[in-house]
Amino acid sequence: QKEVEQNSGPLSVPEGAIASLNCTYSDRGSQSFFWYRQYSGKSPELIMSIYSNGDKEDGRFTAQLNKASQYVSLLIRDSQPSDSATYLCAVNPTGYSTLTFGKGTMLLVSP
Amino acid sequence: DGGITQSPKYLFRKEGQNVTLSCEQNLNHDAMYWYRQDPGQGLRLIYYSQIVNDFQKGDIAEGYSVSREKKESFPLTVTSAQKNPTAFYLCASTPRVAGHQETQYFGPGTRLLVL
Repeated sequence: QKEVEQNSGPLSVPEGAIASLNCTYSDRGSQSFFWYRQYSGKSPELIMSIYSNGDKEDGRFTAQLNKASQYVSLLIRDSQPSDSATYLCAVNPTGYSTLTFGKGTMLLVSP
Repeated sequence: DGGITQSPKYLFRKEGQNVTLSCEQNLNHDAMYWYRQDPGQGLRLIYYSQIVNDFQKGDIAEGYSVSREKKESFPLTVTSAQKNPTAFYLCASTPRVAGHQETQYFGPGTRLLVL
């Protein structure tokens, strides 16, 4: 069984705040984890990938992975209205060459 | 410019009609994927191909067919057997086939509507 769970939101934050997006997965052996951003009517674009426990930072984005808790998160610092989108979590389950996607969390950043 | 192209952007299907969605990539990627996205839903895998002349069913393959005659191309046919085809169809590709899943990059998508 391969499941990826995300809170559908919307998550509303004011401009300049930190947005925290969370994702849990069912396959304990999963090795690769991805965050995608999807604007309304557009295709997903990669934000971050993470493979090891801990934090990975890229500009205003930080991905956090905790394999023991089967939990991956995305932090967006200094949130901007242009960050308003749906954020998809994707996981590579053990033994598969495919990704399982969560349903996404909608983020709304208000000016 | 390197990238993944999908055509058409919008496609209208009549009842009982088969339609084919195009996906082309010039990134020299080995693996290609087709997903379906319904409103408020995540991406569901239809078919994928890791090498030319070979492909595997995903989670929702019924009513769809694919071919992979060239590395660059992975067309998807939505057959008349697919009773609820209205959705946003996304094609993706990855740089190489490996035990370690590489990042998938997406094309712009095709929106299919039923007349």
